[in-house]
Amino acid sequence: DTGVSQDPRHKITKRGQNVTFRCDPISEHNRLYWYRQTLGQGPEFLTYFQNEAQLEKSRLLSDRFSAERPKGSFSTLEIQRTEQGDSAMYLCASTLLGVSDTQYFGPGTRLTVL
Amino acid sequence: EDKVVQSPLSLVVHEGDTVTLNCSYEVTNFRSLLWYKQEKKAPTFLFMLTSSGIEKKSGRLSSILDKKELFSILNITATQTGDSAIYLCAVEGSNTGTASKLTFGTGTRLQVTL
Repeated sequence: DTGVSQDPRHKITKRGQNVTFRCDPISEHNRLYWYRQTLGQGPEFLTYFQNEAQLEKSRLLSDRFSAERPKGSFSTLEIQRTEQGDSAMYLCASTLLGVSDTQYFGPGTRLTVL
Repeated sequence: EDKVVQSPLSLVVHEGDTVTLNCSYEVTNFRSLLWYKQEKKAPTFLFMLTSSGIEKKSGRLSSILDKKELFSILNITATQTGDSAIYLCAVEGSNTGTASKLTFGTGTRLQVTL
């Protein structure tokens, strides 16, 4: 399978714990995006990378959230001191800038904060 | 702030019916409008529209964009139960002229019954 992959698919944690999600984009895709989707809503943009550079962050991305893409391939999204309001589906998408700007989404990581 | 409004929010039709889903938008520096289908997983890409009046077609699905009136429609003819899903509309605005983040609507939930 050469699509976007995300790990884990599901995560249940207790309030106050830290969690980290991983996204592996489609091979050679240079842009990588993170979105968050809550029930009944469309995905909301969080941040994106071009290669290893983080180019934009949403106001939704509080200081408890941090994302990295150290080698320009996979990316991680960490949430520190989780809150119940962080419960959502975290989606990753990738695209190959300049060739096909369509964003292709991974299966998502569903986070439940108890 | 970019904004996407989809209507109706939900729709129930009988197999074989034709449906039209609506998407209106406000975006700074419009670059593209995209339609995605979302079942119980990540959004899957349907269409990307950049020019007014040019219909994109894929099987029983088609879509068209009106950049003057700032809306798009997605048509599905001869609906099947497998078309049951949430249909998401998203717009991309870009200050740089290159690919950028997507702003999504809340989606239209389509249910096709036998």
